[in-house]
Formats: sequence, C-alpha cells, structure tokens
Amino acid sequence: KAGVTQTPRYLIKTRGQQVTLSCSPISGHRSVSWYQQTPGQGLQFLFEYFSETQRNKGNFPGRFSGRQFSNSRSEMNVSTLELGDSALYLCASSFGGAGAEAFFGQGTRLTVV
Amino acid sequence: AQKITQTQPGMFVQEKEAVTLDCTYDTSDQSYGLFWYKQPSSGEMIFLIYQGSYDEQNATEGRYSLNFQKARKSANLVISASQLGDSAMYFCAMRELLSGNTGKLIFGQGTTLQVKP
Repeated sequence: KAGVTQTPRYLIKTRGQQVTLSCSPISGHRSVSWYQQTPGQGLQFLFEYFSETQRNKGNFPGRFSGRQFSNSRSEMNVSTLELGDSALYLCASSFGGAGAEAFFGQGTRLTVV
Repeated sequence: AQKITQTQPGMFVQEKEAVTLDCTYDTSDQSYGLFWYKQPSSGEMIFLIYQGSYDEQNATEGRYSLNFQKARKSANLVISASQLGDSAMYFCAMRELLSGNTGKLIFGQGTTLQVKP
C-alpha cells in the first residue's frame, strides 16, 4: 500500500514568486491536512481538506491557499513568497474523523532566497 | 487552548537500553487522542503510536509503549531495547477537536534522541 507522496521534495524560490506543492494521500483517505514546520515556530496547522472542501484553516495569511481534487490529491499554493516562508511543508492523510490516525509524507523543503 | 509540552530538548541513550520521552498535555476536552511521531533527518513524520483518552489499557506497538497517566495529563513514550536507527526527533501530539467531527494536530516542540553504540 503506497504511503503519502509529496512533490517536489525540495524547492528554491525567490522572494515574490509563487509556489505550488502537491500531496497524494493514501488510497481511500479523503482528508488531507497541511502543516508548516520551522525551527522557530515548530509544527503549525495550515488547513485541512475533505472531499474537495476546506474544513478547517489555521492562522496563516491569505497568501497560503489550497485545494483538493476529486481523487483526494491536494495542492497547496503560496503566493508572493517571503523569506519567512522557508520551511518544511508536511502533508498528512487520514480517513477524516477527529480520532483518525494521520499519516504524513516526507515533506517538501522550501527555501526562499 | 490545548497545549503539548515536551520538556526534554535532547536525550541520549545507550544502544539496547530503554528510554522514556516525556510529554504532558493540557486540555478541557473529555474525549481526545494522543499521538507520537518520529521524524528522522529525512523529514518524514512517522506515526508510532496512538492513545485515546477513554482507552483503559496503555497503547503498545512493538518496542513502543505509551505510559498514559490521565490524572497527571501525561503521555510518555517508552522505547525498549533502543537501536541506532531510533536516533531522530520525536514529537508528541494531540488532536484538537474543531467543527463537526474534525480536528487538527497540536504538536509539542519535540525531543531529539541520540542512541549511542
């Protein structure tokens, strides 16, 4: 059974650019959540999608957005990149209930220069 | 607001010995779930073990066990017979309930474990 796949693994972007990250969840999982991990702030929740609908959103500016497709794959977009957006972005997939175990991908390491 | 506290930034353990990683939590919810994840240097968060607040038995998964003390609001991870491959960052997390039957994970700051040969 394939795990959670995130692409690309590494990205280097320039300030002001935009970036799109992709996450393919485990087959059968309908919930995809995104987290940002930085040395200073630790792991923070960005948003969660379930059946193509955003169910929850963390405390991030509107430059961070996402979407989910009918096959449950999800994309996360960050526009007008800032240096502080440099982080490891992790995607988690689950069946979707509040008690459901979440399985993470390997993450996308974004560096903004 | 819910909070997870991991007070050990770094730990060392000798290979083949057991080690306990501490985690305390704060919540006003009656029903909640606690998780432990391992993050090697590659970055992937690997699910280790889960404990529900109403589970009477401590969770175990192979060499991992969770020492759940509800009254003290602690959920310590015990790794028995440590191996070199256990060297990694370990995160304790709690599911915070949001609207409907949904939730998000709240993570502690993590503990870096180094296993010495």
